[in-house]
Order: sequence, then structure tokens, then C-alpha cells
Amino acid sequence: GAVVSQHPSRVICKSGTSVKIECRSLDFQATTMFWYRQFPKQSLMLMATSNEGSKATYEQGVEKDKFLINHASLTLSTLTVTSAHPEDSSFYICSARDSGDPNYGYTFGSGTRLTVV
Amino acid sequence: GNSVTQMEGPVTLSEEAFLTINCTYTATGYPSLFWYVQYPGEGLQLLLKATKADDKGSNKGFEATYRKETTSFHLEKGSVQVSDSAVYFCALSDQWGNNRLAFGKGNQVVVIP
Repeated sequence: GAVVSQHPSRVICKSGTSVKIECRSLDFQATTMFWYRQFPKQSLMLMATSNEGSKATYEQGVEKDKFLINHASLTLSTLTVTSAHPEDSSFYICSARDSGDPNYGYTFGSGTRLTVV
Repeated sequence: GNSVTQMEGPVTLSEEAFLTINCTYTATGYPSLFWYVQYPGEGLQLLLKATKADDKGSNKGFEATYRKETTSFHLEKGSVQVSDSAVYFCALSDQWGNNRLAFGKGNQVVVIP
């Protein structure tokens, strides 16, 4: 089945530094990928929709200059948290949809636990 | 807009008990409906889905039926195991192809031996 690899699974960084998270579709092409943020014991909050070869679409209230998204190929999207602060600490999850799947198949990565100290 | 409502609160039950998690939705047209499961510290895994009214999705003993008349997609399992302890999310995607999933708040399920 479709597999999405997300890396790293855990990262600790110092306040003020930047962190890059990668999301790869391993055996399918994904023209669209999604980035979510999840707070403890809460649901997923869609941050942005990543479109291959074009600018990402950000949800209302999400700072695009802080959460930089790049989707340079059909199998890779990256999320960079710039100038991270402790309040950015969270669980980030990516998702990809198989462009060739007529049933809107969404596959999720295993998530990245970001801790900013 | 589209939205998904799940019953409030965690669910705690004994092994081999019957599990029901309620899910209702608001959407225009004919959305596709999903149940995802999240184990501690992991991403989401698709548990089952249904793409049209009256469809029944099933997997690993879990079932859910797409009921358009009641706009519901309740998740059920006849006999739960400790390994079913996880968070369960109901979700929908609309039929218009905007590729976005709307999630419910999720329900923590704890199965006690």
C-alpha cells in the first residue's frame, strides 16, 4: 500500500533556530500534500496544503513566513519552522494523496515531535 | 462548511466489550467518510472508509455504515482487545475534489484487561 515517510520523528532545537521536516511519498506520486499540527489530546489542525510546483495554501491564522513549505517534486514536501519558539513545540503530521487513486486515498506520515527549548 | 462531530470524552471499557463511537457530519453533497486510528506517538492510519451512502466500511473487526439519512458514520466493534487502545478520528472529504479532510476531535479508547 501507499507509504508516506516523515523525518525526523523527534527533534529538539534551541529557541531561535530553524527546523526542517521532510515528508516523502515512497511508492506513489503526490501532487498535493498536507501539513497538520496536533496539540496534546486534540484533533489535527490543518496548517497548509502543499502543491507541487506552486505556492502552498495556508489556513487562516497560520503564518506563512514562519512555516515555510516547499513541494519541489511529486514525492517530497518539506516544512521548515523558522526562528522556532517554545510555543511552536507540537506534533506535526504530513499527509499525501495518491494522485492516481480515484477514491481519495490519504496516507499519513508517522509524525514529528518538535520540542523547542 | 464541512464539519465532523464525535461524541465527547474518552471511552474506557473492558476487554471483549462492545465498542461504539458516534460520528455525525455536516456536508453538502456526497462526501467520503473515514475512520482513522492513532496509536501513541504515531501518525494516523486509515482504519476504514466509505465513499457512498449505505456503504459499509470494515477492517480488523471494526465496521461503520454510511447513513445519509442520519448523516452518521458510527464506528463499532463487537469485541475489543487491549491492542485496540488508541485515539479514533472520524473524518470526511467532500465530493468536489478539494482534497481536504475535515476531522472530528477524536476519541481516546482505553481497553482494560
